[in-house]
Amino acid sequence: AQSVTQLGSHVSVSEGALVLLRCNYSSSVPPYLFWYVQYPNQGLQLLLKYTSAATLVKGINGFEAEFKKSETSFHLTKPSAHMSDAAEYFCAVSEKGTSYGKLTFGQGTILTVHP
Amino acid sequence: NAGVMQNPRHLVRRRGQEARLRCSPMKGHSHVYWYRQLPEEGLKFMVYLQKENIIDESGMPKERFSAEFPKEGPSILRIQQVVRGDSAAYFCASSPDRDTEAFFGQGTRLTVV
Repeated sequence: AQSVTQLGSHVSVSEGALVLLRCNYSSSVPPYLFWYVQYPNQGLQLLLKYTSAATLVKGINGFEAEFKKSETSFHLTKPSAHMSDAAEYFCAVSEKGTSYGKLTFGQGTILTVHP
Repeated sequence: NAGVMQNPRHLVRRRGQEARLRCSPMKGHSHVYWYRQLPEEGLKFMVYLQKENIIDESGMPKERFSAEFPKEGPSILRIQQVVRGDSAAYFCASSPDRDTEAFFGQGTRLTVV
């Protein structure tokens, strides 16, 4: 069975600083990978996805993620944090051969941005 | 194009009652997924449906939970004889096909008292 590990349940950065949210997956076959963001009392919004194309994926709101097969990682980064980035971020995987909508999620990382 | 609509947004039920959660997918989407988010836990897949068919229910509890997606109307997640442990946020997502990412609704927050 697949699993997703997000290192750090809480990450705190200053406004303007680099954001790095870590995600590692366990799967014998590289899966499809996603990052979602959830604002309080809201649903999940897709930030970006990796589906076997370019390993560096650019998403919305200035976020990007790099798929590294050798490290089984898909870390999310943003060069300069903004106050509006404060939210909970979820890394998720979908096993190849299944629907993109059937996802295994990590535990989530709450991002706090300080002024 | 309206997003995925879930209702009600908040639902309170007493132990032993039934809870019905509704999900209207985005226009043109015929694939629906249900997820549960328990307090202090991540989201867990429950069931994947396509119009009139259950495709994958590997995440559904064996008892008291059922889901349907009829030819007409919204998808329904039904929880019979609710217990305190069913208190959670339930999210629905939809996609136009199996090879397109899913769009999530805002969720239904179920509280069992």
